[in-house]
Amino acid sequence: RKEVEQDPGPFNVPEGATVAFNCTYSNSASQSFFWYRQDCRKEPKLLMSVYSSGNEDGRFTAQLNRASQYISLLIRDSKLSDSATYLCVVRGPSWGKLQFGAGTQVVVTP
Amino acid sequence: TAGITQAPTSQILAAGRSMTLRCTQDMRHNAMYWYRQDLGLGLRLIHYSNTAGTTGKGEVPDGYSVSRANTDDFPLTLASAVPSQTSVYFCASSGAENTGELFFGEGSRLTVL
Repeated sequence: RKEVEQDPGPFNVPEGATVAFNCTYSNSASQSFFWYRQDCRKEPKLLMSVYSSGNEDGRFTAQLNRASQYISLLIRDSKLSDSATYLCVVRGPSWGKLQFGAGTQVVVTP
Repeated sequence: TAGITQAPTSQILAAGRSMTLRCTQDMRHNAMYWYRQDLGLGLRLIHYSNTAGTTGKGEVPDGYSVSRANTDDFPLTLASAVPSQTSVYFCASSGAENTGELFFGEGSRLTVL
């Protein structure tokens, strides 16, 4: 079983709509959680950290559910520029161990 | 702002040949990493270095070696390339412990024939 699993998508979203997707992790001792964004053939970049209480950054909302071991990302009022692959990243109990999911592709259409 | 610079951007290599992927950062970050990214598998850690002079093995270290002679440079060497090493390689750095923010280079696309 992969340590971090994501639905690969693609999630096809009309412009202006809301899209949400989850990421599950297997290690209950995981310490911290992040969402990265990766554009086609580009390097990943940090989108946002995920805090226990949930957090929001503009149109993006991240949630953590420790009991069920998943994190989620919700994008409101989707823009064409939101089209990308979103990588779920989980830090294990030891320094240096960041586990990346394979990514969820989001395609926002006009 | 340079950040992390990788070279080459892409390379085609004959199986059995050696190759060094270069990675240089100008952010004075202590930690540096090499990942490979393959379709459907996500980013997998090859080797890492928490500080100059130290290195460690990641999830998929076989067939690769690294060195960290100074803070800025973290080259990745394939001693004898095999086709399964065809991948996109990303170098990354991190400036602080206990954060998840990695700064990535633009990647090196390697094809081994």
